[in-house]
Amino acid sequence: DIQMTQSPSSLSASVGDRVTITCQASHDINNYLNWYQQKPGKAPKLLIYGASHLQTGVPSRFSGSGSGTHFSLTISSLQPEDLATYFCQQSDNLPLTFGGGTKVEIK
Amino acid sequence: QVQLQESGPGLVKPSQTLSLSCTVSGGSINTSGYFWSWIRQHPGKGLEWIGYIYYNGSTYSNPFLKSRVSISIDTSENQFSLRLTSVTAADTAVYYCARGPKGVMIGYQYYGMDVWGQGTAVTVSS
Repeated sequence: DIQMTQSPSSLSASVGDRVTITCQASHDINNYLNWYQQKPGKAPKLLIYGASHLQTGVPSRFSGSGSGTHFSLTISSLQPEDLATYFCQQSDNLPLTFGGGTKVEIK
Repeated sequence: QVQLQESGPGLVKPSQTLSLSCTVSGGSINTSGYFWSWIRQHPGKGLEWIGYIYYNGSTYSNPFLKSRVSISIDTSENQFSLRLTSVTAADTAVYYCARGPKGVMIGYQYYGMDVWGQGTAVTVSS
């Protein structure tokens, strides 16, 4: 299985801050990397697909980058409603696998 | 727009079989281009992908569940289902169904799961 390692596991930032979360795959996954946001008590929501493509309806402050084994999700200006846990997930190989998650808190 | 809704018992006894269904509305499950997935999340933990099925019945299940899991599809009812046998407390989780990833053949998938059900909590306890 492809292991997905996210860092940090949690972070605390202020409104307006730029926040970056990284995801490393144990093998080259090309650009088959997706990012999800999960708010407390809710189902995950797809933010980014194919490493850098913004899902329809997702605010433009979210962006994704990377290729091969190293990827990142950036929130350009953190908003109060961005309080959530963020997960990366690879679609290159079966079984599909997720990172362990990054919990984002607002200072 | 497409919506998914899970249904099934919230409580299952150890060693019994868990059966969940996911009803798709706002679109047909009987079309090419998307797989239909099951994912679970243990309390306070991360996401585990259980497996997926294509409209033609082709399916793949995550080996970590070994032979306990089966996924089926009923295109006439526009729903797909999960069956997990010999459950234990370790199967206590919130179970989600989702549309995606995209693809046309098992093993050749891309992009993510773009529509999710709200999730259903399942507890395994006597």
